[in-house]
Amino acid sequence: AQSVTQLGSHVSVSEGALVLLRCNYSSSVPPYLFWYVQYPNQGLQLLLKYTTGATLVKGINGFEAEFKKSETSFHLTKPSAHMSDAAEYFCAVSGSGGGADGLTFGKGTHLIIQP
Amino acid sequence: KAGVTQTPRYLIKTRGQQVTLSCSPISGHRSVSWYQQTPGQGLQFLFEYFSETQRNKGNFPGRFSGRQFSNSRSEMNVSTLELGDSALYLCASSLDREAYEQYFGPGTRLTVT
Repeated sequence: AQSVTQLGSHVSVSEGALVLLRCNYSSSVPPYLFWYVQYPNQGLQLLLKYTTGATLVKGINGFEAEFKKSETSFHLTKPSAHMSDAAEYFCAVSGSGGGADGLTFGKGTHLIIQP
Repeated sequence: KAGVTQTPRYLIKTRGQQVTLSCSPISGHRSVSWYQQTPGQGLQFLFEYFSETQRNKGNFPGRFSGRQFSNSRSEMNVSTLELGDSALYLCASSLDREAYEQYFGPGTRLTVT
């Protein structure tokens, strides 16, 4: 069984400040980890993914995340927040079957950018 | 390349009715997955289809069903609608069954009254 915990249903940062969205996972098999973003009235857009290899992964729009097996974490960061980053962010985990196993999502973190 | 399309975008149904939602994957993608998104339960996996076969199913009652056609287009059906079925239903496609990148459509917003 797999599960994802996202700490903080709402995170507020000032424009230009560091963005840190926390994600911890539980998986009985080597996990494949994802971050998705959802803007109002839209579907989900893949920001980045970790499958194997380098534990620091870079995604779109300046986001990156680091897979830490010992901490079972996959936190999302961005050095400098922009107003356009305001959205809902979801961390997800799947097994080695990729999408066929179905993604298990966290509850989401609403990112608020203060001007 | 066109993205994942879902029709209709919005739907209002009455309790007890049934509904069919449609999803057209990105051209060349053979795997289609469906998810339900609600404020209370969040995003939950419904099922996945590959080459017209359901390969995996989430923890949903049998009222939720789906199918995939030879052109990879997929439909999901919900029978005997309940108020709790009100949700955003998202379809995602990927290149093949083991592909990790899933591309999501905009969703169908179903309201059950």
